Amino acid sequence: NAGVMQNPRHLVRRRGQEARLRCSPMKGHSHVYWYRQLPEEGLKFMVYLQKENIIDESGMPKERFSAEFPKEGPSILRIQQVVRGDSAAYFCASSHRDWGGRTDTQYFGPGTRLTVL
Amino acid sequence: AQTVTQSQPEMSVQEAETVTLSCTYDTSESDYYLFWYKQPPSRQMILVIRQEAYKQQNATENRFSVNFQKAAKSFSLKISDSQLGDAAMYFCAYRTLSGTYKYIFGTGTRLKVLA
Repeated sequence: NAGVMQNPRHLVRRRGQEARLRCSPMKGHSHVYWYRQLPEEGLKFMVYLQKENIIDESGMPKERFSAEFPKEGPSILRIQQVVRGDSAAYFCASSHRDWGGRTDTQYFGPGTRLTVL
Repeated sequence: AQTVTQSQPEMSVQEAETVTLSCTYDTSESDYYLFWYKQPPSRQMILVIRQEAYKQQNATENRFSVNFQKAAKSFSLKISDSQLGDAAMYFCAYRTLSGTYKYIFGTGTRLKVLA
């Protein structure tokens, strides 16, 4: 059973370009979370998605950032017009939620390290 | 809002010795989950151990155990018989059982294991 897959593992962009980060959840998981880790910091929640729905985007910057999780295919985190401050590791996690949420452990992908030049 | 605090930015332990990493949290909820994740240089987040707040018994996983003090809102991780492969960043995380179940992470503790 493959784990959470993220690609690319490393992404270099120049200021003003777009970055697209992909996340394929574990088989059978329909809940995806995105987190950002700035250098020397812990992970910070960005957005929570279910298939075709954004459930909680309270951690997403108001501008330039968007996320989707289509019916088919991976979840995408998109950053438009990147700036140097966007340089970070972006982690995706997936879970399979039961009714009570008690088995809702999130399993993390290996992360995408974004470097903005 | 919930918060998680790890007050030890860095810890060192001699190989084969025992080390305890501290974590405190703040919440008004009575039921929740707590986790310890390990992040080696590869940056992969690896689940070390999980504790359900409604369970009084402390969780254990081989050489890893926790000391969960619910009233004190404390959740420390004990690593016994430390190995060189234990060297990593360790993050404490809180997860509510309401709302969107997002994780709230502490700032991490860097563990060095000395040969």
